[in-house]
Amino acid sequence: AQSVTQLDSQVPVFEEAPVELRCNYSSSVSVYLFWYVQYPNQGLQLLLKYLSGSTLVESINGFEAEFNKSQTSFHLRKPSVHISDTAEYFCAVSETHGNQFYFGTGTSLTVIP
Amino acid sequence: EAGVAQSPRYKIIEKRQSVAFWCNPISGHATLYWYQQILGQGPKLLIQFQNNGVVDDSQLPKDRFSAERLKGVDSTLKIQPAKLEDSAVYLCASSLWGITYEQYFGPGTRLTVT
Repeated sequence: AQSVTQLDSQVPVFEEAPVELRCNYSSSVSVYLFWYVQYPNQGLQLLLKYLSGSTLVESINGFEAEFNKSQTSFHLRKPSVHISDTAEYFCAVSETHGNQFYFGTGTSLTVIP
Repeated sequence: EAGVAQSPRYKIIEKRQSVAFWCNPISGHATLYWYQQILGQGPKLLIQFQNNGVVDDSQLPKDRFSAERLKGVDSTLKIQPAKLEDSAVYLCASSLWGITYEQYFGPGTRLTVT
C-alpha cells in the first residue's frame, strides 16, 4: 500500500504571494499522481494529474506540480494566489497497475487579503 | 453532463441506529467507489464496484457496513449499527471502465453520530 504525506496541514499566505504545498509518497513503483481541491461543503475536484510524459503539469487556474521520481514528490505551486484559492488540497497516488487511490491528509490553504 | 449525485447531504443519527446513503454515478461510468473521509484526514476507499460486482472491499468494516449496486448503476451504502467513530463524510465517485485515474466525486454525505 502507498503512503502519502502532506507535511503542512495549514498554510496561510497573503494574496498575490507564491505558495507551495508539499506532497511525498512512499513507493518507488510506477505511479499516477493527482492533486484534488475541495471547497467548503463540496466534493473533491481534480486540479491536475500526472500520468506520463512531461514531469511538469499545469492546471487551467495557474497551479502547477512537478513529478520528481528520485525524491518521490509531487509538490503543488502557484506563483500568485487569489482569495478564491482558499480551500483544502489533497494529494493522491495511484499505482499504474492498481485500482486504488491513496490520499494524503490534506493541506488547508488560506489566502489572506 | 450531470455529475455524481448523492443523498442525503447531511444526516444526524444516534449510535446504534441504522443509516443508508445513496449514490447515482455519471451516466456510462461502470466503476463506482465509496470513500470515507474523517475530519482532518484524506478520503479512504471503502469499496469499489465494477458494474454490479465488487472489485475491492478490503477496507470495508463488514460487521457493520454493507454496500450494493444491484443493477450496475445506483449504489447504496448502509451502516448498521452506527458507532460514534463512523462520523465522517461519505464520498461517492465514479469512473469509466478501466480509467480508474479519472475519478469524479460527488458532494458527499456528512454523517454525524451522536
